[in-house]
Amino acid sequence: EPEVTQTPSHQVTQMGQEVILRCVPISNHLYFYWYRQILGQKVEFLVSFYNNEISEKSEIFDDQFSVERPDGSNFTLKIRSTKLEDSAMYFCASRIPGQGAIKGQETQYFGPGTRLLVL
Amino acid sequence: QQPVQSPQAVILREGEDAVINCSSSKALYSVHWYRQKHGEAPVFLMILLKGGEQKGHEKISASFNEKKQQSSLYLTASQLSYSGTYFCGTEVKGAQKLVFGQGTRLTINP
Repeated sequence: EPEVTQTPSHQVTQMGQEVILRCVPISNHLYFYWYRQILGQKVEFLVSFYNNEISEKSEIFDDQFSVERPDGSNFTLKIRSTKLEDSAMYFCASRIPGQGAIKGQETQYFGPGTRLLVL
Repeated sequence: QQPVQSPQAVILREGEDAVINCSSSKALYSVHWYRQKHGEAPVFLMILLKGGEQKGHEKISASFNEKKQQSSLYLTASQLSYSGTYFCGTEVKGAQKLVFGQGTRLTINP
């Protein structure tokens, strides 16, 4: 069964450093997302991406964050200058609609996550 | 505005039933239910689109009352493997994101 993959699984960085989190969405999916989850809290939406541009973003997704789809398979989240409060689990998700989808049955499939620790 | 889940936590013995509720103040297009085990990604359980529609597989089912903007997840004859935190994710028409509730922690004891 196809799945969303993410690398690395864990990342430790110093405050102020740049990090890039990588995701490979499911191949026929067209919508891509980043969510984050601070330890013990709920999953929070960061950004959605469709047709090579951001379609929606939350207030968390400030100028320090950017997303990119550099090729046909990868989807990245960059944090330019990490802060302590960026420590969280970051989940990538992807979604149909696409060819073969049953209308109205699409949901978002989550990757395993990248645990980011900012020191 | 995030949906509100209730209860926040449930402790059951194996074989007992549970109901987890999710309510929103916004008109919803869909409700998605996920289960998350500690340290893992959320795993999709089911999606509901129409008012009053119930979906399910095996002993886990859900309903969506479109008029009340409420969804409920039903777990019957719970198994140890059902333990985890259950999140509802809500979607409004035209939005391309899920807004998650705060989660309901379900513990199943033998």
